[in-house]
Amino acid sequence: DIQMTQSPPSLSASVGDSVTITCRASQSIGTYLNWYQQMPGKAPKLLIYAASYLQSGVPPRFTGSGSETDFTLTISSLQPEDFATYYCLQTYRAPHFGPGTKVDMK
Amino acid sequence: EVHLAESGGRLVRPGGSLRLSCAASGFTFATYSMNWVRQAPGKGLEWISYINGGSTSVHYADSVKGRFTISRDNAKNSVYLQMNGLRDEDSAVYYCARDMSGSYTYPGPPDYWGQGTLVTVSS
Repeated sequence: DIQMTQSPPSLSASVGDSVTITCRASQSIGTYLNWYQQMPGKAPKLLIYAASYLQSGVPPRFTGSGSETDFTLTISSLQPEDFATYYCLQTYRAPHFGPGTKVDMK
Repeated sequence: EVHLAESGGRLVRPGGSLRLSCAASGFTFATYSMNWVRQAPGKGLEWISYINGGSTSVHYADSVKGRFTISRDNAKNSVYLQMNGLRDEDSAVYYCARDMSGSYTYPGPPDYWGQGTLVTVSS
């Protein structure tokens, strides 16, 4: 199985900050990497697919980059509705989510 | 508008069985693969199963292989998850999610999700 790690596990930030979350795969997965946002008690929402493609309706302050084993999700100018938990998901082999990164208010 | 609605979750004893259903609307169901993803209380997301539009390709996570069976009925716009031999660690919210991938044989990223149904396995 391809294992996914995320860093940091959590971070505190303020509205207007730029934040970056990292996801690392245990082996090369090309660009089969996707990012989700989950609010408490809600279903996940797809933000980025294929490492860098913005899902329809998602604000452009969300950007994804990376390939092979190292990927990043950057949120520029954090908004109040962005405080949530973010998960990466690899779909190169049997899908596997990262453990998540919780973004909370400083 | 795409809508997915799961049902069937409840309290069940260890070793018991349960069948979850997911009713889909707002898209041409038969042309999309579907996934089941679960989330234990306070924990992260775990993909558990996939089925393509024609039911010719199915995949399972190792944690449920041999115990869970995914199926679908395109005439009813529904996907199902039959869960047998349930264990305490199967307790979770179970989500059905539409697969956005163009592949018809292997899971891609889910794009639309239902609100989930809670399964609790406890004696």
